[in-house]
Amino acid sequence: DQQVKQNSPSLSVQEGRISILNCDYTNSMFDYFLWYKKYPAEGPTFLISISSIKDKNEDGRFTVFLNKSAKHLSLHIVPSQPGDSAVYFCAASRSSNTGKLIFGQGTTLQVKP
Amino acid sequence: GAVVSQHPSWVICKSGTSVKIECRSLDFQATTMFWYRQFPKKSLMLMATSNEGSKATYEQGVEKDKFLINHASLTLSTLTVTSAHPEDSSFYICSARDRAWYGYTFGSGTRLTVV
Repeated sequence: DQQVKQNSPSLSVQEGRISILNCDYTNSMFDYFLWYKKYPAEGPTFLISISSIKDKNEDGRFTVFLNKSAKHLSLHIVPSQPGDSAVYFCAASRSSNTGKLIFGQGTTLQVKP
Repeated sequence: GAVVSQHPSWVICKSGTSVKIECRSLDFQATTMFWYRQFPKKSLMLMATSNEGSKATYEQGVEKDKFLINHASLTLSTLTVTSAHPEDSSFYICSARDRAWYGYTFGSGTRLTVV
């Protein structure tokens, strides 16, 4: 039962353009969502998060949008840079349930110079 | 910022032996530690959750007698893979959470290869 889904395994974007990574979830009890960036053989690096009481959170080039009715969130990176090339995971948690994170399958982003 | 030190970064062991992976929170108290494993090109799968001083809670399908988790102090948690087999080869990652702030800090991961 995949509660958090990233249906696009890969995305290729030209440098300077916008990257949009999508994530869907099925559990309506999730109330906190996070995006992580990961390189092979390394631990995930936190990028940005959003609470269910918000529908948008912005931090520099990264913006996360949350659509609770659609159980959908997205990460926008603009402008995209070659250094952004990595695997991006979305994760969700229920604050009332020990806070354990459930991860999506990941999307590999390639930003071409 | 918060740092979690995970060791070893990689280990090769023979079938039947046990391997211990350590995660230390360096500048905060890890009241909760999560252990994940990741297969190649797959998602991070939560294995267990441990709170300091308590027994770990394992996810469905994870053998608690095979993956022993100890969280005896607020700065150290260990995962021991007992009687390792080649199918246990994977990338194991810990994640620590401090109750004082709603954030998760990940270790750098351990690549386990069982031959």
